[in-house]
Parts: sequence; C-alpha cells; structure tokens
Amino acid sequence: AQSVTQPDIHITVSEGASLELRCNYSYGATPYLFWYVQSPGQGLQLLLKYFSGDTLVQGIKGFEAEFKRSQSSFNLRKPSVHWSDAAEYFCAVGALDDYKLSFGAGTTVTVRA
Amino acid sequence: GAVVSQHPSWVICKSGTSVKIECRSLDFQATTMFWYRQFPKQSLMLMATSNEGSKATYEQGVEKDKFLINHASLTLSTLTVTSAHPEDSSFYICSASLGTGGNEQFFGPGTRLTVL
Repeated sequence: AQSVTQPDIHITVSEGASLELRCNYSYGATPYLFWYVQSPGQGLQLLLKYFSGDTLVQGIKGFEAEFKRSQSSFNLRKPSVHWSDAAEYFCAVGALDDYKLSFGAGTTVTVRA
Repeated sequence: GAVVSQHPSWVICKSGTSVKIECRSLDFQATTMFWYRQFPKQSLMLMATSNEGSKATYEQGVEKDKFLINHASLTLSTLTVTSAHPEDSSFYICSASLGTGGNEQFFGPGTRLTVL
C-alpha cells in the first residue's frame, strides 16, 4: 500500500519569502501525486497533480512541485508567498489500480508580515 | 467544473439522535464517492468508499452500522451518523471521483458535526 510522509508539521515564513513543503511517498510503481490546500473550516482545494510526463508541475496560485523518483519526493514550492497562503497543505498519493488516496499528516503554513 | 457540495455545512444535535449529511456532485457524474473524517489539526481519515448502486466499502475500524452510507445516484451520496455521541463530533468531508485514470478527487466543503 502507498503512504505519504510530510516531515514538517509547521512552517512559518515571511510574506514575500519563498516556501518549500516536503513530501515523501512510498509506493512500488509510478504514483499519482497531489497537493491540496485547506483553509480553516473548509474542504480541500487541488493545487496541482502529477500523473506522468514532465516532472515539474505547475499549479494554481503560483505553486509548483517537482517529482523526483530517485528521492521518492514531490516537494511543493512557491517563490514568493502571500498572506493568503496561510493554510494547511496536504500531500496525497494514489495508485494505478486503486482510486483511494493516502494523505500525509499535513503541514501548517503561517505567514508573518 | 467538478464542484462538490455538502449539506449541511454545520449541524448540532443531541446525543442519541441521527444526523444525515448529503454530498452532491453538481456538474458531473461521480462513479465513486468517498467519506472522510478529520479531527482538529489532523489529516483526513478515509471512512468509506461508495459506488453508485452498491454497498459501501468501509475502512478497518469504521463501524458500518454507525455510519450508514447510501449512494443512491451518480450525483448523490449520504452519510448518516446513527445514535450520535459526543465522540462522533468531527469534521466530515466527502469527495467524488470521475472514475477515470488519475485518482483525482474533488472535495466538498465539509460538514462540522457537534454532538451535545
């Protein structure tokens, strides 16, 4: 079964600074990878996804993520964060033969002025 | 496109009563719907997977008689929390999948359940 690890529970970043959120997955074949964002009391919004092809994926709100098979990673980045980026971020992995997703524990991002 | 709604967005009920939460895919037909539970500051825990017209598949440790799931159509799934207790208080989120390759799920806004 697939699994996801998000090593950072909480990250604080200054507005305008860059942000990188780590995600490591465990899966024997090529995974389907996702990053979702959740604002307080809200559902999840898809930021970006990787199925195949180009390993650098562009998403909404200026986010991007890079799939590195050798490191089993799918880290999320944003060059310059905005105060509105403060939220909970979840990495998820899916398998080819299973519609379920496995979610990481999440990383809380705080943006300071 | 790919909008999922949930109703109600929040509900407060007395202990022992039952509560029904609806999940609708508004602009697409969802072959599969998922129900998650989320505790404060925690990740999503998959409760069950439901396919239209068939019984839901529950994850280990989830009581199927406690959490009744009905997937009546390709656009509607319901979760009924029966004989609710305070420990059932949580944030319940549904998602829907098109069933095509890629596993992408579209999430509803969630329902906050508080059992007094």
